[in-house]
Amino acid sequence: EPEVTQTPSHQVTQMGQEVILRCVPISNHLYFYWYRQILGQKVEFLVSFYNNEISEKSEIFDDQFSVERPDGSNFTLKIRSTKLEDSAMYFCASTGSSLNYGYTFGSGTRLTVV
Amino acid sequence: DQQVKQNSPSLSVQEGRISILNCDYTNSMFDYFLWYKKYPAEGPTFLISISSIKDKNEDGRFTVFLNKSAKHLSLHIVPSQPGDSAVYFCAASARSGSARQLTFGSGTQLTVLP
Repeated sequence: EPEVTQTPSHQVTQMGQEVILRCVPISNHLYFYWYRQILGQKVEFLVSFYNNEISEKSEIFDDQFSVERPDGSNFTLKIRSTKLEDSAMYFCASTGSSLNYGYTFGSGTRLTVV
Repeated sequence: DQQVKQNSPSLSVQEGRISILNCDYTNSMFDYFLWYKKYPAEGPTFLISISSIKDKNEDGRFTVFLNKSAKHLSLHIVPSQPGDSAVYFCAASARSGSARQLTFGSGTQLTVLP
């Protein structure tokens, strides 16, 4: 069964450093997303990406965040200057043209900012 | 902002019996609803969805019921199995732009006792 692959599974970084979280969505999917889950809280929408541009973003997704699909297969989330409160599980997801089969989520990257 | 609410943080059920997980929403613009299952250290896994034009959708042991007037949906699992033990998230989507973001509930931890 096709899957969404995320690397690394765990990233520890110092406050103020830049991090790049990587995702390989399912190859024939059209829409790509990043969500995050802070420990003990809800899964929250960050950004959606379609046709090589951001479709929607939440208020969490401020100027410190950016997304890119550099080569047609990878989909990356960059956090320019990490803060302690960025510590969370970050999930990448992709979907085709219909929600009938939901999103397919990756296993997540646990980001720890120290 | 509690647009999607799962008021029961946990539920325990005997193996073979029915599990009923509940979800309420407030945003009348939501027109698609999904249930996800999540194991620790994994991403959410899609289970079943329902469009707002339906009131029931069934897939094997899983049935989702939608009551639009009450803004309530439920997931029934019959019969429950120990492998069903996981956190179950309700999610809702409203059409906005080209991609659809999901708004998640806080989750219900289901424990199926052998």
